[in-house]
Amino acid sequence: AQSVSQHNHHVILSEAASLELGCNYSYGGTVNLFWYVQYPGQHLQLLLKYFSGDPLVKGIKGFEAEFIKSKFSFNLRKPSVQWSDTAEYFCAVTLYSSASKIIFGSGTRLSIRP
Amino acid sequence: EAGVTQFPSHSVIEKGQTVTLRCDPISGHDNLYWYRRVMGKEIKFLLHFVKESKQDESGMPNNRFLAERTGGTYSTLKVQPAELEDSGVYFCASSQGVGGQGTDTQYFGPGTRLTVL
Repeated sequence: AQSVSQHNHHVILSEAASLELGCNYSYGGTVNLFWYVQYPGQHLQLLLKYFSGDPLVKGIKGFEAEFIKSKFSFNLRKPSVQWSDTAEYFCAVTLYSSASKIIFGSGTRLSIRP
Repeated sequence: EAGVTQFPSHSVIEKGQTVTLRCDPISGHDNLYWYRRVMGKEIKFLLHFVKESKQDESGMPNNRFLAERTGGTYSTLKVQPAELEDSGVYFCASSQGVGGQGTDTQYFGPGTRLTVL
């Protein structure tokens, strides 16, 4: 079965540190890739997405992600985090062949020390 | 524009009781999805409506769960009878359906936290 793996359950960083959250998926076909974020008390919202083209995708709030097809990875990065980035981050995929459902990773909780 | 809304925000019931969750999608969105997150695990797909029709219900755990979307507007998800393992956060999402091959952006509601005692 298709799955999405997020390597870290909880990451703690200080402000201004660089961030990289790992994500790998297991599916041999064409996929669409997403990162969602849930800030405390708020809805899940889309951070960025990759469908095709340039594998380096830029999203909101200074986040970016790189699709490496050979590694089945879609890691999320931010060069300098802020306290307001404290949230839970979810990597997700949809399959080209099955348009409807999103397959989520288990989430990574990010805590930023001020 | 109003986002996806869900009611109630939190429900606490006893095992064996019935609970009905409601989702109001963004106006004009034909696609409506239900997802569930059990404590500490991944968010899992339950089902997908296109207007009032069930497009994909492959994620529904068992026949204690019944989803409806009469008239193609709001949707309800009923759990009857509830069991302890049904506890979790139930998310609803909606989308316009303009993208193909999984590119359609889904907008999520705040979720309903269900606790079964």
